[in-house]
Amino acid sequence: AQKITQTQPGMFVQEKEAVTLDCTYDTSDPSYGLFWYKQPSSGEMIFLIYQGSYDQQNATEGRYSLNFQKARKSANLVISASQLGDSAMYFCAFDLAGGYNKLIFGAGTRLAVHP
Amino acid sequence: GAVVSQHPSRVICKSGTSVKIECRSLDFQATTMFWYRQFPKQSLMLMATSNEGSKATYEQGVEKDKFLINHASLTLSTLTVTSAHPEDSSFYICSAREGAGNTGELFFGEGSRLTVL
Repeated sequence: AQKITQTQPGMFVQEKEAVTLDCTYDTSDPSYGLFWYKQPSSGEMIFLIYQGSYDQQNATEGRYSLNFQKARKSANLVISASQLGDSAMYFCAFDLAGGYNKLIFGAGTRLAVHP
Repeated sequence: GAVVSQHPSRVICKSGTSVKIECRSLDFQATTMFWYRQFPKQSLMLMATSNEGSKATYEQGVEKDKFLINHASLTLSTLTVTSAHPEDSSFYICSAREGAGNTGELFFGEGSRLTVL
């Protein structure tokens, strides 16, 4: 069975600094996808970034980048130049190729950005 | 971009009543939609996969007779919480993917917060 783990229940960062949110996964399947979502207090799920298991380069989307270390089965999210609006819950999620995007979510990390 | 809409966003009901939550893909067809439940300060837990024109596939531990799912069209899936009880109070979120294959973005609805008194 697949498993996804976020070990940091909460993190804080100073505005304008970078922060790394950890995510590890466990699967024996060679083909899979990794996602990061942001959930502000309003509850909506905001897609941030996607990494496929066969992607050669780490995914980047603006201030978000994914530090994908396949051998270590980790997919950490790096947020650069943190902003106050980045304060939210962040979820790492995993799906198997061909699983029709049946996402399995980690427990989440609550990020607080301090001025 | 593609949009998924849920209705109602908030609902309060008495114990024993049934509540229906709708999930619509507004500008794309979604063969498959997913229903998640999120308790306060917890993660999203997949409840079931909703397939257009066929029965939903429920995750282990989710009562299919309690949570009825109907995916009658390519743009609408409904979740009915039957005989709701206070322990069913939760945030319910649906998601849908545009197109085929396993790439990229999965669109989520805004969520529906259910409170059962």
